[in-house]
Amino acid sequence: AQTVTQSQPEMSVQEAETVTLSCTYDTSESDYYLFWYKQPPSRQMILVIRQEAYKQQNATENRFSVNFQKAAKSFSLKISDSQLGDAAMYFCAYSTERGAQKLVFGQGTRLTINP
Amino acid sequence: GAVVSQHPSWVICKSGTSVKIECRSLDFQATTMFWYRQFPKQSLMLMATSNEGSKATYEQGVEKDKFLINHASLTLSTLTVTSAHPEDSSFYICSVPQRGVYGYTFGSGTRLTVV
Repeated sequence: AQTVTQSQPEMSVQEAETVTLSCTYDTSESDYYLFWYKQPPSRQMILVIRQEAYKQQNATENRFSVNFQKAAKSFSLKISDSQLGDAAMYFCAYSTERGAQKLVFGQGTRLTINP
Repeated sequence: GAVVSQHPSWVICKSGTSVKIECRSLDFQATTMFWYRQFPKQSLMLMATSNEGSKATYEQGVEKDKFLINHASLTLSTLTVTSAHPEDSSFYICSVPQRGVYGYTFGSGTRLTVV
């Protein structure tokens, strides 16, 4: 079964600085998708960034970028110029188009932004 | 973009009663919907996959008779927590696979408190 591991339960960063959240996963599939979701105190799940495994180029969305290392099964999220509004729980997630297409989540990392 | 409506947003019920939670896809048809449960400060755990016109697929360890799922139309899935007990108190979230770009849209969640 596919598993997703986030080894950092909590992280903190100074406002305007850069922080990297780690994620590793385990799968025997070659084609899959990886996601980072943000869950603020409202608990609404918000998509931050998505990566298709067949694409070698790392995904980027404004201040958010990933370092996707397929061979190492690593998928880290870098947040540049951190803002107070970035404070939230961040979940790494995995899915594949095969079968039920269900989304498997990591344990989450709570990110605190220090002003 | 895809819009998913989940109701109610919060509910308090007495132990032994049943509670129904609705998940509606407002602007597209969904043959599949997913139900997650999230305990405080924990990750989202998939409970079941709701399949339109057929039985739901439950994850290992989830009681089928306690968590009844009905996907009666292409836009509506319901989760009924039967004979609720305090340990069923949790945050329940539905998720719908998107069309076009591979991804998921989440409902806003339901906070269930059983007293």
